[in-house]
Amino acid sequence: DAKTTQPTSMDCAEGRAANLPCNHSTISGNEYVYWYRQIHSQGPQYIIHGLKNNETNEMASLIITEDRKSSTLILPHATLRDTAVYYCIVRGHNTDKLIFGTGTRLQVFP
Amino acid sequence: DVKVTQSSRYLVKRTGEKVFLECVQDMDHENMFWYRQDPGLGLRLIYFSYDVKMKEKGDIPEGYSVSREKKERFSLILESASTNQTSMYLCASRTPGTGYTFGSGTRLTVV
Repeated sequence: DAKTTQPTSMDCAEGRAANLPCNHSTISGNEYVYWYRQIHSQGPQYIIHGLKNNETNEMASLIITEDRKSSTLILPHATLRDTAVYYCIVRGHNTDKLIFGTGTRLQVFP
Repeated sequence: DVKVTQSSRYLVKRTGEKVFLECVQDMDHENMFWYRQDPGLGLRLIYFSYDVKMKEKGDIPEGYSVSREKKERFSLILESASTNQTSMYLCASRTPGTGYTFGSGTRLTVV
């Protein structure tokens, strides 16, 4: 599985969009980009995933660059409850093993 | 919604005890996983299972075993608990087409 690189921490004002970047320059053609988040003292929560095209669901949007070497998770209107550690993971579709890095700690402030 | 339930949120056990961590999922998923999470090390895969009575070692299986007698239940066993097994333990079930659903975790302290 390809390795990912994320900033250690980010801040975002409540109500503004939070844009969390992830680099995955060694991604291969059949590997998906997954995003999870972990709120303190809870298990990780699935957010969104994608292969090539941009994706949107009720929680977030995922923008993947054309060369697929990086992606951005967008929380369109961050709330205080979005304060969490966000993990970007790359894995093959038929691989069940998830490798979590250290993620980005997002702090949403009032 | 898929629910993955871990039987205990907090456990304190003594060194040398045999410890059972239970995990139950309610969506008939074949795939289940046990991770441990430690500060600075992220999540590390201990064991996983694709089916009943089937198990595969993850990255750090030493000191652990697992049991999958029924599809919905995946148990992690610490054969003889040691202080270096103090950690947060997370169970997950694979959700087809989306990702993994995790339980709330069990924070185990071995004294």
